[in-house]
Amino acid sequence: EAQVTQNPRYLITVTGKKLTVTCSQNMNHEYMSWYRQDPGLGLRQIYYSMNVEVTDKGDVPEGYKVSRKEKRNFPLILESPSPNQTSLYFCASSLRVQVSTDTQYFGPGTRLTVL
Amino acid sequence: ILNVEQSPQSLHVQEGDSTNFTCSFPSSNFYALHWYRWETAKSPEALFVMTLNGDEKKKGRISATLNTKEGYSYLYIKGSQPEDSATYLCAFIGGGATNKLIFGTGTLLAVQP
Repeated sequence: EAQVTQNPRYLITVTGKKLTVTCSQNMNHEYMSWYRQDPGLGLRQIYYSMNVEVTDKGDVPEGYKVSRKEKRNFPLILESPSPNQTSLYFCASSLRVQVSTDTQYFGPGTRLTVL
Repeated sequence: ILNVEQSPQSLHVQEGDSTNFTCSFPSSNFYALHWYRWETAKSPEALFVMTLNGDEKKKGRISATLNTKEGYSYLYIKGSQPEDSATYLCAFIGGGATNKLIFGTGTLLAVQP
């Protein structure tokens, strides 16, 4: 089944404890992206990647890192999480690099709480 | 800072009613507009990708129009059903950044039987 998977789906952690949220797609998509969803703010883009080893900042990249060593995987890394990173996170992918003309497929979401 | 606004914020209609909502975006340097449907506890799902002024797209009872010159898109739902209850999101691509999506905050639609 064609899909975007994220792990974990739920995570409660403490301030400063490094964590990684994994994202994987099995559709051979070029473009991958991370978003966070906060009440009243809509989906905000954190980072995106147009290909292996090509990543760029979205609107809210502070406090996050990403890597794209393989086409299918795009992990989101929080080196030192803080409570303001408590949010619902979505990974998404698109077939083509030009996401403007291509639909995105979203993962199931990861609800992160940082105490 | 590019601003994408959706109105209304929420909408309650009766089953069978037709409804529409608006997405407003910057009219300059437009590349594309996406519409997504997001049901509670699920992931957003793509409805339409719109790129040309005057575009009209249709998927079942849902349709969308695009006016890039004035910077708005309408989403219409004909004969709303309870299963249409969801948040409808639009995302703008433009302003010189062709690979970044700017999402609106969505319109929450509740359809009562």
